[in-house]
Amino acid sequence: GENVEQHPSTLSVQEGDSAVIKCTYSDSASNYFPWYKQELGKGPQLIIDIRSNVGEKKDQRIAVTLNKTAKHFSLHITETQPEDSAVYFCAATGGLEYGNKLVFGAGTILRVKS
Amino acid sequence: DAGVIQSPRHEVTEMGQEVTLRCKPISGHDYLFWYRQTMMRGLELLIYFNNNVPIDDSGMPEDRFSAKMPNASFSTLKIQPSEPRDSAVYFCASSLTSASYNEQFFGPGTRLTVL
Repeated sequence: GENVEQHPSTLSVQEGDSAVIKCTYSDSASNYFPWYKQELGKGPQLIIDIRSNVGEKKDQRIAVTLNKTAKHFSLHITETQPEDSAVYFCAATGGLEYGNKLVFGAGTILRVKS
Repeated sequence: DAGVIQSPRHEVTEMGQEVTLRCKPISGHDYLFWYRQTMMRGLELLIYFNNNVPIDDSGMPEDRFSAKMPNASFSTLKIQPSEPRDSAVYFCASSLTSASYNEQFFGPGTRLTVL
């Protein structure tokens, strides 16, 4: 089955700096990679996703890159703000063939210091 | 839409008691997922349903756990008897089938404490 590893487990950055979170996956059949943000006391919420036919996707200050050969993908947050402080999870799935089952990484606690 | 609704938000019970967690998915969504979140094990998928039918329950920890989805708008996760190690936050999520992949919308979770 799929296994997703996520690093680092905690990340502290100064407001305005960039933050990068990296994930690796084991199953080469995985082809959908979402990123979720979880704020305190809430459920995870999708912030960006990427499919295997794309190498990079950007949405304002957030971008995700995918390297299928190396089986890793990364989340990049630029110009970080205090409200970016949260736990971020990467995930992977093979899609409908896998019942849309997501396998999550262990999470990264991001702290943005103002 | 109000999003995925879970109840109760908090549950404190004593070891050996039965616990029932409830979930109302987003209207029209045909996939429903139950997750458990702990510091040690992160987010674990327990079971998921498609069109009210359980598809994969391989994540259910043991026979003390059971889940049902009697109709498209309601699901329950039951633990009987509960144990202290069941203490966790339980999330329900739903998604809509398409030809591709779809965002899973998570509820606010139920924080379960078993004393």
